[in-house]
Amino acid sequence: QVQLQESGPGLVKPSETLSLTCTVSGGSTNIYYWSWIRQPPGKGLEWIGYIYYGGSTNYNPSLKSRVTISGDTSMNQFSLRLSSLTAADTAVYYCALYDITVESFLHWGQGSLITVSS
Amino acid sequence: DIQMTQSPSSLSASVGDRVTITCRASQSISNRLSWYQQKTGKAPKFLIYGASNLQSGVPSRFSGSGSGTDFTLTISSLQPEDFATYYCQQGYSVPYSFGQGTRVEIK
Repeated sequence: QVQLQESGPGLVKPSETLSLTCTVSGGSTNIYYWSWIRQPPGKGLEWIGYIYYGGSTNYNPSLKSRVTISGDTSMNQFSLRLSSLTAADTAVYYCALYDITVESFLHWGQGSLITVSS
Repeated sequence: DIQMTQSPSSLSASVGDRVTITCRASQSISNRLSWYQQKTGKAPKFLIYGASNLQSGVPSRFSGSGSGTDFTLTISSLQPEDFATYYCQQGYSVPYSFGQGTRVEIK
């Protein structure tokens, strides 16, 4: 059973850079796009981007200038960096595995609430 | 970018009711449409892919249909555990996008 776990700081100051890590366990992960999705409090889901086994990435144009996703296949981990934070970046951040055969986010982490505040 | 629009934004229903949620894409996405269920404080749960294919373990009271731009999620007989928010998502092209959600509440 594939499991994902996010780890992050919880509280970040405006203008700073957010760093989140997702650890994947329990299954073969090289068939997925390793993805990040966020959800502001009380709002809907926004896809941030993904990294594919081998290192290729794809980002949401709305965030592209501020986002970097990287991966460490040896550790079964991937990371999100989001720079120049504002209060609008306050959200629950999910890591998820996108299965390209069914074109869906098959497995999700429990989510990490990130609050941007001074 | 493809915009996904769900209707209604919320609905109230009773246990046993038949519930239908609609999702519309801003351009044709063939059948590349998925549905998710999210309960309060939890991560979304994957329900349906390819517009109409039930993920393993999902109860058969859930069904999906549609192609092109118009899609529906139907719950044939609403159960207490089905009260949640439902999202559609297109996998046709990046950036992947979700509908704004439909909250199913207890009447």
